[in-house]
Amino acid sequence: AQSVTQLDSQVPVFEEAPVELRCNYSSSVSVYLFWYVQYPNQGLQLLLKYLSGSTLVKGINGFEAEFNKSQTSFHLRKPSVHISDTAEYFCAVSDLGTNAGKSTFGDGTTLTVKP
Amino acid sequence: DAGVIQSPRHEVTEMGQEVTLRCKPISGHNSLFWYRQTMMRGLELLIYFNNNVPIDDSGMPEDRFSAKMPNASFSTLKIQPSEPRDSAVYFCASSKPSGRVVTGELFFGEGSRLTVL
Repeated sequence: AQSVTQLDSQVPVFEEAPVELRCNYSSSVSVYLFWYVQYPNQGLQLLLKYLSGSTLVKGINGFEAEFNKSQTSFHLRKPSVHISDTAEYFCAVSDLGTNAGKSTFGDGTTLTVKP
Repeated sequence: DAGVIQSPRHEVTEMGQEVTLRCKPISGHNSLFWYRQTMMRGLELLIYFNNNVPIDDSGMPEDRFSAKMPNASFSTLKIQPSEPRDSAVYFCASSKPSGRVVTGELFFGEGSRLTVL
């Protein structure tokens, strides 16, 4: 079984400041990792994904994340946030085992960007 | 390209009534997922299908919930009878393999917000 822990339920930050949203996972097999963003009254949309290769992955809207296998982490970062980045962010993991394709989601982190 | 299409976007009903939520996945996607989102429980996987066949329904709360996928372009989630605790946003998502690799990357619909009075 796999699980995802998002370490911060709420992250307030000022506009143009850097931000890091933390995600740790556990799995007995190799995994694929994802970050999704959900704006109010909308569905989730993919920000970025780690499948293989370089551990630093870049996504849309200036976000990036780093896969750290030894620490089983996949933290999301942005060097300078905008008001429009205010949303809920979900980390998800999908394993390569018998449940391939079935993603487990964290509880979400609400990012609030203040002017 | 059209994304995942869900209907209705909003549904308000009274306890005991039957509710049917509908989903049209992205053309060419062979996996379909139903999720429920609430403040208390977050995002929960209810059931998923591969090639129209239910693979895992362990997340379906109880017998009042049922889901079908009669063909590759349509799925329904039915609640009968509905109860106030079923109030939530229900999301449908679809996915397809990346080449021969099943990655689990999901494409979500806008959701159906259900309120049971």
